[in-house]
Formats: sequence, C-alpha cells, structure tokens
Amino acid sequence: GAVVSQHPSRVICKSGTSVKIECRSLDFQATTMFWYRQFPKQSLMLMATSNEGSKATYEQGVEKDKFLINHASLTLSTLTVTSAHPEDSSFYICSARDRTSGGSEQYFGPGTRLTVT
Amino acid sequence: SQKIEQNSEALNIQEGKTATLTCNYTNYSPAYLQWYRQDPGRGPVFLLLIRENEKEKRKERLKVTFDTTLKQSLFHITASQPADSATYLCALDEGGGADGLTFGKGTHLIIQP
Repeated sequence: GAVVSQHPSRVICKSGTSVKIECRSLDFQATTMFWYRQFPKQSLMLMATSNEGSKATYEQGVEKDKFLINHASLTLSTLTVTSAHPEDSSFYICSARDRTSGGSEQYFGPGTRLTVT
Repeated sequence: SQKIEQNSEALNIQEGKTATLTCNYTNYSPAYLQWYRQDPGRGPVFLLLIRENEKEKRKERLKVTFDTTLKQSLFHITASQPADSATYLCALDEGGGADGLTFGKGTHLIIQP
C-alpha cells in the first residue's frame, strides 16, 4: 500500500518552454501533497505544500508564478514549471500523507529528472 | 530555521557489523523525527518514525533513538548487508504531519562484503 507515482520520470525541454509533472497517490487519498526539489549531493528542499481544493503554500524563495501547483483531486497534484531555464534543472519529488493513517510519515514518488537545455 | 547535520557524507562498514548514523539538529525538538532511505535516482523510502516522547524505536534490523536533550537521533542497522548500501536521510517534522519535512543532506552508507 501507500504508493505514489510520478510522471514523467525524465523530461528534457528547451529553455523558455513549460513542463508539467504529475503526482498521483495510487491506493490512498491524500488531502495534502508536498513538492520537493533536490540538486546533486544536496538535501531535499521543500518547495510547496499542495492542499486539495485550495491554493498551494510556497516556501520562502520559491516563485509561485513560476512553479504552478494544482491539486484538483484527492489523488492528483500537478507541478508546472513555466518558462523553464537551465537553472531549473533538478530532481523534483512529490510526497503525500495518507489522511486516514493518522501518521506523520510521507510516501514519496520516484521523482522526475528535469533537464532544461 | 532548523539546521540538520548528519555525521558524515559517507560511511564504510564491513558486512555483518552494526552501522550507526547520526543526526543532530539545532533548534527546538520536532514533534516527529523520521529516517528515510534513498537510492540513486529514486525518491526516499520511509523507514522509521520516532516521536519526541519516545526514546527508542525498532523495526527488524533497524533501531532509532531520540535524545531531545542532546538534540540528536541515532540510526542503527545491525547485521549489515551489502543491500543496505544507500543514502540515509534524517528528516524533521515540526508541524505534526501538517507541514513538509526538513531533511538533512544524508549519509551515504557503503557496506563492504
């Protein structure tokens, strides 16, 4: 149980284009999903908290107009990187909490490797 | 904001021995402290969670301790195996589950046969 998927697993795009990444909880409902970014040899950094049916909460320093988050259902959140630039190249990982478990642990997706050329 | 330090970037342990990883934090104690395993190019996998009022937690060959006085957690893998080789991440949950996690950089554990 508690499986989170991400799509795509890898994407290469040209500078200036937009890329959408999907995060799905496959066997549980997630009221809250989280988006993280990880640069090589660095820790995961929380970018934003995505709540179903409401606006996302962004961490300090993360541009909300650049990283658009939509959490349209209890099993799907999307992150759109708009007007991507090479410095946005990173490993993007989503996570979700099972709202029925009562626990604090988060279940992570396999990640999406974004390369902007 | 919280700073998390994990004892070393890399740790080499001989197969069969106990591996001990350290996580230290700087500010107030979190509601929960969690340990994750991350393999190259993959997302983290949840291993263990310990609450601030718990001293120790065990799961099979894994053991976690939490000392709020020292602001430290220790993560032990007993009877280590080459398959345990991975990066282990310490993460703090200060919001009791409502907020995202604050992660350390991780310790890359290598178990040598």
